[in-house]
Parts: sequence; structure tokens; C-alpha cells
Amino acid sequence: KAGVTQTPRYLIKTRGQQVTLSCSPISGHRSVSWYQQTPGQGLQFLFEYFSETQRNKGNFPGRFSGRQFSNSRSEMNVSTLELGDSALYLCASSPGRRNTGELFFGEGSRLTVL
Amino acid sequence: QKEVEQDPGPLSVPEGAIVSLNCTYSNSAFQYFMWYRQYSRKGPELLMYTYSSGNKEDGRFTAQVDKSSKYISLFIRDSQPSDSATYLCAMERNGGFKTIFGAGTRLFVKA
Repeated sequence: KAGVTQTPRYLIKTRGQQVTLSCSPISGHRSVSWYQQTPGQGLQFLFEYFSETQRNKGNFPGRFSGRQFSNSRSEMNVSTLELGDSALYLCASSPGRRNTGELFFGEGSRLTVL
Repeated sequence: QKEVEQDPGPLSVPEGAIVSLNCTYSNSAFQYFMWYRQYSRKGPELLMYTYSSGNKEDGRFTAQVDKSSKYISLFIRDSQPSDSATYLCAMERNGGFKTIFGAGTRLFVKA
């Protein structure tokens, strides 16, 4: 069974640009969560989707947005990039309607903003 | 104050030692308690999962949850160099749809 796939794995952008990251969950998993990981702040929750609906959102500015498609694949977008957005962006999927914290993570997309 | 507190370490131990990793939390609504392990340049992987209070053992790993003290622990027996990684505690409440992670403790096991 294939794991969670995130693309691209690495990318470099400049301030003011926008970026879209993609996540394909494990087959059959309908919940997708996104996290930002930095050395100083650790893993910070961005948002969670189930059946194309955002069920929860973290404390990030509106420049961070996401969506989920009918096949459970998800994308997140960051507009007007800032230097502080440099981070590892992790996607995680889980199987059911109830979130119990059992998350299956991808290897992440490492974003560098110059 | 963060909802979940975890000492970032680093923690360095000799091979074969018993390792104790801990987290405290403030939200009494948390019901699900997890430990994830993250190797360098990889995503976290679920190591242990516990619902509510009590102990759970899996091979060399034991997870303990004390809800009265809002304190969770992970013990690693007979630690191996391959256990060197960052260990993250995580928690979730019923209907929360949001898993909260600790800062992670970096562990080094020296051969």
C-alpha cells in the first residue's frame, strides 16, 4: 500500500511569490491534515479536511489556504511568501471520520523563501 | 503557555540504557495520546497510541498516561543507536480534528 505522497519535495521561492503544495493520501483515507514544521516552533497545525470540507483551522494568517478534492487529494497554497514561511510542510492522512490522532505522514515539502 | 510542553533535549544515552521521555499538557479534554518518531529528513511515524489513561507496551516501548497529573511518558528499554531520532508527543480530543504536538525531544543513543 503506497504511503502519503507529497510534491514537490524541495522548492525555492522568493518573497512575494506564491506556492502550491500537493498531497496524495493513503488509498482509502479521507482525512488530510497539514502541518508546518520549523526548528523554533515545532509542528504547527494548519488545517484539516474531510470529504472536501475543512473541519478545523490553525492560527495562521489568511495567506495560508487549502482545499481537498473529491478523490481526497489535497493542496495547500501560500500567497505573498515571507522569509518566515521557510519550513517543512507536512501532510498527514487518517482513515476515518473520527480523528483519533493516528496520523500517517508524508516526507514533507521543504520550502525555502529567499 | 503551550497546550503541550516537551523538553527539546538533546538527550544523549549509552546503548542499552533505559530512556524516559515525557510531556505535560494543560487541556483536560485530551483523550488520545500518541508518540511519534521522526528521523532526520523524514516525516513523523506513529510509534505508540493510547486512549485515555493507562499503560501500553509494544516490544521495547512502553507508553504511560496519567490524566490526573496531565503527564505522559514513553520508556525505551535496551536503547539502540537506531533509536536515535526526535520523539514527539501528540494529543487529540474527541471531535477536535486537530492533533497537537509537543516540540519533540532529540535522542542520541551512543554505541
